[in-house]
Amino acid sequence: GEDVEQSLFLSVREGDSSVINCTYTDSSSTYLYWYKQEPGAGLQLLTYIFSNMDMKQDQRLTVLLNKKDKHLSLRIADTQTGDSAIYFCAESPKTLSGGSYIPTFGRGTSLIVHP
Amino acid sequence: EAGVVQSPRYKIIEKKQPVAFWCNPISGHNTLYWYLQNLGQGPELLIRYENEEAVDDSQLPKDRFSAERLKGVDSTLKIQPAELGDSAVYLCASSLVSTGELFFGEGSRLTVL
Repeated sequence: GEDVEQSLFLSVREGDSSVINCTYTDSSSTYLYWYKQEPGAGLQLLTYIFSNMDMKQDQRLTVLLNKKDKHLSLRIADTQTGDSAIYFCAESPKTLSGGSYIPTFGRGTSLIVHP
Repeated sequence: EAGVVQSPRYKIIEKKQPVAFWCNPISGHNTLYWYLQNLGQGPELLIRYENEEAVDDSQLPKDRFSAERLKGVDSTLKIQPAELGDSAVYLCASSLVSTGELFFGEGSRLTVL
C-alpha cells in the first residue's frame, strides 16, 4: 500500500532556510506534491513535481526528488513568519479510471518560524 | 473565480444525530473529492467522483456515511447516525481530470458530543 512519512515538527529562525523531508513508498507515483495548510483553512497546493524530474524551483521554493531512495524534500529560502503552517507531502499515481489523480497525504510537518 | 465552497464551517451535534455537509466545487472541475482529516493527521480519502459517478468509495463507511453528487456539480456528504469518533474536519476538493492539482475548500469541522 501507499505510505507517506514526514517528520512532525520543524523550528527555524526567520531568514534561515527550511528543509522539510518526506519519504514515500509507491514507486508508480506520477506526481509528488507539497501542500500548505494554515490554521482553520483547507490545503493549498504549493508546488508539485513529475516523477521524471529531479528538481523544481519556484521563487523561494525548491523541490528535490530522489527516486532511488523515494525521498522528496521542500526547501524554503529566507523563511518568514508567514511561512508558519503545516506542510503536507503527497503522492499520486495516475489512475486507470478516468485518468484522475488520488493524492495520498503524509501526516504533515508543522513549521514554526521564530524571530 | 470562486474557490471550493463548503458549508457549514462548524457543526456541533450530539451522538446519534444526523449531519450533512455541502460542497460546491470550482466551476468546470469534473472530479470531486471528500477527505476526512483527523486532528494531527493528513487528509484521508473518503470518496471520489468523476462527474456524477462515484468511482472510488472504498474508504467510505457505508453503514453510516452516504454521499451524492447530483448533476455532477454540488455534492453532499451525510452521516447518520453520528458517533463520537466522527469528530473531525471534512474537506472537499475538486480538480480537472487533466491535472494533478486539487483545490480544497476550508473544510467543515464536526464535533460530536
